[in-house]
Amino acid sequence: ELKVEQNPLFLSMQEGKNYTIYCNYSTTSDRLYWYRQDPGKSLESLFVLLSNGAVKQEGRLMASLDTKARLSTLHITAAVHDLSATYFCAVDLSSGSARQLTFGSGTQLTVLP
Amino acid sequence: DTAVSQTPKYLVTQMGNDKSIKCEQNLGHDTMYWYKQDSKKFLKIMFSYNNKELIINETVPNRFSPKSPDKAHLNLHINSLELGDSAVYFCASSQLAGYGYTFGSGTRLTVV
Repeated sequence: ELKVEQNPLFLSMQEGKNYTIYCNYSTTSDRLYWYRQDPGKSLESLFVLLSNGAVKQEGRLMASLDTKARLSTLHITAAVHDLSATYFCAVDLSSGSARQLTFGSGTQLTVLP
Repeated sequence: DTAVSQTPKYLVTQMGNDKSIKCEQNLGHDTMYWYKQDSKKFLKIMFSYNNKELIINETVPNRFSPKSPDKAHLNLHINSLELGDSAVYFCASSQLAGYGYTFGSGTRLTVV
């Protein structure tokens, strides 16, 4: 059974600081996603990582994937209050016609002024 | 035009009632899903359908019965609702041979 471990679960950080969220998973996969969820809202796709060594950046967020280590990271640079949200990583596995996302527990990020 | 639309957005009901949630996607995807997000925000798959065929059926009480009348629609019927069923239910769709998932806006179910 695939396990996806995300840490930290809670993160309070000061504006302007940098931090990294980690996502480890237990089964080989070369498709991993990062989502953002604001309170009471749906999941917003941030990054789709499709191969080993993939790195994507959007604004103050950068995501990477190391399929050999089964590790993805979401790096936050110079955090601002607008980044406060819950961030999920999710591993995409398919077998025949069975395909599903398995989510990490989420990281609740609060950026303090 | 909303890609994955769910109705209703909120549902408050008493224990023991039966309720349904509807989902429709206009993306032409061949696979649809129901995910449950609990009070701790943990997201877990419940069901998936590919071209109207049930593919994934996780350990879910049989009070939950999905139905897919066609590949653009996936409904979830819940019988004899219990307090523990309170959660947010997300519908999603994807193309089996592609990548990426599109999520609906969610249905917040509260059982009182």
